[in-house]
Amino acid sequence: GQNIDQPTEMTATEGAIVQINCTYQTSGFNGLFWYQQHAGEAPTFLSYNVLDGLEEKGRFSSFLSRSKGYSYLLLKELQMKDSASYLCAGVNSNSGYALNFGKGTSLLVTP
Amino acid sequence: EAQVTQNPRYLITVTGKKLTVTCSQNMNHEYMSWYRQDPGLGLRQIYYSMNVEVTDKGDVPEGYKVSRKEKRNFPLILESPSPNQTSLYFCASRDTGSATNEKLFFGSGTQLSVL
Repeated sequence: GQNIDQPTEMTATEGAIVQINCTYQTSGFNGLFWYQQHAGEAPTFLSYNVLDGLEEKGRFSSFLSRSKGYSYLLLKELQMKDSASYLCAGVNSNSGYALNFGKGTSLLVTP
Repeated sequence: EAQVTQNPRYLITVTGKKLTVTCSQNMNHEYMSWYRQDPGLGLRQIYYSMNVEVTDKGDVPEGYKVSRKEKRNFPLILESPSPNQTSLYFCASRDTGSATNEKLFFGSGTQLSVL
C-alpha cells in the first residue's frame, strides 16, 4: 500500500465548511481519488487529482500537492446528507495501478 | 444502465462451506477488483484482474480465489470460509487496467457472515 493517512472522525455544523486532510507516501504515486460512502452503501466517486492545485466541483473541492504527498477535500455549505465516510485513495503504479484506500474519515454534520 | 452487479447482497454461512460471490459488469471494462471492508481497516484489495485470464493478488488474498474466464464476470470464491472472513465485500471495475485517471465503479456490496 501507500500508507494513506486521514483522520478517523470529524464533526461539523450544518452550513459550515470542513476540510478533510489526507497524506500519502509518494513512491509510485499516480493520482489521488476521493470517494464518499454512506453507511452500508458502495463508495461513490467525488474527485480525482493528478496535478498540483485545486479542483472545484460545486460544493466540493479537492487539492493536491505532489511534492508534499498531501491532499484535502473541502466541503462547503454543509448539509445533513453530507454525513458519511470520505475515503482518500492513491493510485500506485508499483502494484498494478491498484487503488489503495485510506481507512476513511467519518464526518458527522450536526444541526 | 451502466452498473456492477454483485450477488448475493447478504449471506450467512458456516465455517468450511464453500461459497461464491458473483460479480458482473456491463460496461465492457477490462479491469475488475475485489475489496473487503472492515471497521477500522478500510477497504483492502483481495484480488484484481487486468483482463480476461489475467488475475493477481492484492493485499489480502489468503483464503480467496478468483477467476476471469469472461470479461464481464469476476467471481470471488471462498473454498473453506472461516469467521475471520466475515466482512463487507465490494466488487469494482474500471475501463482499463493501466489507466491512472479512471474512477472505479463499485457494486452494491455483499455482507458476509461466517459462523
